[in-house]
Amino acid sequence: EAQVTQNPRYLITVTGKKLTVTCSQNMNHEYMSWYRQDPGLGLRQIYYSMNVEVTDKGDVPEGYKVSRKEKRNFPLILESPSPNQTSLYFCASSSRTNEKLFFGSGTQLSVL
Amino acid sequence: GESVGLHLPTLSVQEGDNSIINCAYSNSASDYFIWYKQESGKGPQFIIDIRSNMDKRQGQRVTVLLNKTVKHLSLQIAATQPGDSAVYFCAPLLGSSNTGKLIFGQGTTLQVKP
Repeated sequence: EAQVTQNPRYLITVTGKKLTVTCSQNMNHEYMSWYRQDPGLGLRQIYYSMNVEVTDKGDVPEGYKVSRKEKRNFPLILESPSPNQTSLYFCASSSRTNEKLFFGSGTQLSVL
Repeated sequence: GESVGLHLPTLSVQEGDNSIINCAYSNSASDYFIWYKQESGKGPQFIIDIRSNMDKRQGQRVTVLLNKTVKHLSLQIAATQPGDSAVYFCAPLLGSSNTGKLIFGQGTTLQVKP
């Protein structure tokens, strides 16, 4: 089954404790992206990657890092999480940039 | 900045009726648009897309209409079912396909009454 898989589904952590949210897709998509979704603000792009070893900032990249060492994986790294990064995070991928994005099920992150 | 607005935050319809969800966008240069459905606890799911060289496109029980003159698009759902209950949002593409970005609206919550 074609899918984008994120882990974990839920995560509670404390300020400053590094964490990684994994994302993997099995559709051989070149384009992958991370979004955060907050009430009243909609989906905002954090980082995106157009291919292996090619990443770029989205609208809200501060406090986040990404890497794209393999085509299928695109982890999101929070080196020192802060409470304002409490949010619902989605990973997405597509065969062509910005078209027909497939989204993962989301990761609900709470930073205390 | 660029914006996407939906006309109603919530739309309530009777099961079996047709639903119309509206979306207004601000950038006349947008030439690609996607509609997504997001059910509670799930990620957004692609419904249908349309390019600016079209003014109508039909899928299974859904139709998207695009009016570039007034920068408006709508999603029509025929014979609405309880499984259609979700948040719907449109996403115009700002810029080119390779270098642009999708602008997501905040969504309209569709409630289907049995």
